[in-house]
Amino acid sequence: EAQVTQNPRYLITVTGKKLTVTCSQNMNHEYMSWYRQDPGLGLRQIYYSMNVEVTDKGDVPEGYKVSRKEKRNFPLILESPSPNQTSLYFCASRRPGQMNTEAFFGQGTRLTVV
Amino acid sequence: AQSVSQHNHHVILSEAASLELGCNYSYGGTVNLFWYVQYPGQHLQLLLKYFSGDPLVKGIKGFEAEFIKSKFSFNLRKPSVQWSDTAEYFCAVMGNSGNTPLVFGKGTRLSVIA
Repeated sequence: EAQVTQNPRYLITVTGKKLTVTCSQNMNHEYMSWYRQDPGLGLRQIYYSMNVEVTDKGDVPEGYKVSRKEKRNFPLILESPSPNQTSLYFCASRRPGQMNTEAFFGQGTRLTVV
Repeated sequence: AQSVSQHNHHVILSEAASLELGCNYSYGGTVNLFWYVQYPGQHLQLLLKYFSGDPLVKGIKGFEAEFIKSKFSFNLRKPSVQWSDTAEYFCAVMGNSGNTPLVFGKGTRLSVIA
């Protein structure tokens, strides 16, 4: 079954404690991205990756890092989380640069930073 | 850069009422258009998509959307809503060239009451 898997689904952490949210896809997609969803703001792109070792900033990259060492994995790293990063996070993957392509989303990770 | 505007923040309808959610986008080239739905506590699911051809596209669960190029619009419709349609709906646009991002509107929350 084609899917995007995120872990953990829920996470409560304290300010400043480094954390990583993992994302893995089994569709051999080159393009992967991270979004955060906040009430009234919709989904905003944090970072994206067009292929292994190729990453770039989205609209709201401050406070986040990513890495793309393998095609299937695209972890999101918060080196020093702050309360304003409390949000619902989604990972997505798709085929890049082609017509008729759609994005597949993970189940989401609800992060609370206290 | 692309942008998406959804006209309604929150819509409340009675069961069996007709639904139309507005979506306008801004982009200078050819676009791919999407509507996603997010049921309470769940991840995003694709309702329907437009890539090319017939501007009236039909999706799952009785939803349809019409692409009107001259108005830069892609409104979502359903003739008769059900209580189970209560969810948040997101319009999204992606440029059809290169690796342009998938950009979302801020979402419309639909509440269907008995």
